[in-house]
Formats: sequence, C-alpha cells, structure tokens
Amino acid sequence: GAVVSQHPSWVICKSGTSVKIECRSLDFQATTMFWYRQFPKQSLMLMATSNEGSKATYEQGVEKDKFLINHASLTLSTLTVTSAHPEDSSFYICSARTDPGQGETQYFGPGTRLLVL
Amino acid sequence: QKEVEQDPGPLSVPEGAIVSLNCTYSNSAFQYFMWYRQYSRKGPELLMYTYSSGNKEDGRFTAQVDKSSKYISLFIRDSQPSDSATYLCAMSMPGGGNKLTFGTGTQLKVEL
Repeated sequence: GAVVSQHPSWVICKSGTSVKIECRSLDFQATTMFWYRQFPKQSLMLMATSNEGSKATYEQGVEKDKFLINHASLTLSTLTVTSAHPEDSSFYICSARTDPGQGETQYFGPGTRLLVL
Repeated sequence: QKEVEQDPGPLSVPEGAIVSLNCTYSNSAFQYFMWYRQYSRKGPELLMYTYSSGNKEDGRFTAQVDKSSKYISLFIRDSQPSDSATYLCAMSMPGGGNKLTFGTGTQLKVEL
C-alpha cells in the first residue's frame, strides 16, 4: 500500500517552454502533497505544500508564479514549471501524506528528472 | 549553519560490515526522526521512524536518537551490496505541518 507515482519520469524541454509533472497517490487519498527539488549530491528541499482544494503554500524563495501547483483531487497534484530555464534542471519529487502525523506518514514518488536545454 | 548536518560520504565498506550513519541537528524543536533510503534516480523510501531518545530495531537496522546531544544514528548490521544507496536523515517538529527537514544524505557503497 501507500504507493505514489509520478509522470513523466524524465523530460527534456527547450528553454522557455512549460512542463507539467503529475503526482498521484494510487491506493489512498492524500489531503496533503508535498513538492521537493533535489540537485545532484544535495538533499531534498521542500518547495511547497499542496492541500486539496486550496492554494499551495510555498517555501521562502520559491516563486509561486513560476512553479504552479494544482491539487484538484484527493489523488492528484500537478506541478507546472513555467517558462523553464536551464537552472530549473533538477530532480523533482513529490510526496503524499496518508494520515496526519509527524512526517512518518509521507510516501514519496519516484521523482521526475527535468533537463532544460 | 545548516539545521541538519550529515556527512555526505561516500562511505565504502565490505559486505558483512556494520555501518554507522549519523546526523546532528541544531534545532531542539525537532522531535520526530526518520531515516530514508534513496537508490539512484529514485524517490526516498522510509526505513525507520522514531520519536523518543533510545534505540529502535527493525531487522538489520537500528535507529538511535540522543535528543540531549541532538544526534541521531542509523546502524546497518551484516551489510549487503543491495544496501548500496544514499541514506537521508529527516526530522520534523510538532505543529510543523508534517514538514520534513532533510540532511544532505550519505552515499553508501557495500562491496563484495
């Protein structure tokens, strides 16, 4: 149980285009999903917290107009990187929470590798 | 100073060795501690969760928390090549909205 999927697993795009990444909880309903970014040999950095039916809460320094998050249902959240630039190239990982807890109930997706040329 | 410090490694050990992975933290508000395993190009997988000082054992894995020293450890006994991965510590605080703060991860390689 508690499986989270992401699509696509990797994407290459031209600078200036927009890219949408989907995060799905496959066997549970997730009222809260989290989006992280991970650069090579660095840790996961939380970008935003996404609650179903409401606006996402962004971490300090994350541009909400550049990283659009939509959590339209209890099993799907999307992250759209708008007008992508090479510095946006990274590994994007989502997680979904099964129950209220202290972090142990977060399950992570397999990640999406984005390369912006 | 980062909130959570973790030696990035890489750490290379022979098969069967006992591995010790460690994290220190500066914020005493952290009360919940997790260890994740991340294989290359994959998402993190939860290994251990603890919330009190002391030891917690699960198979070949033992998590240790010392809140007075702000120090946590993960021990792997009888290490296997399949344990080769990056190990991330993570922690959260009460009322923190379930947000996790991660260490940088330690890259482990278990060699035959």
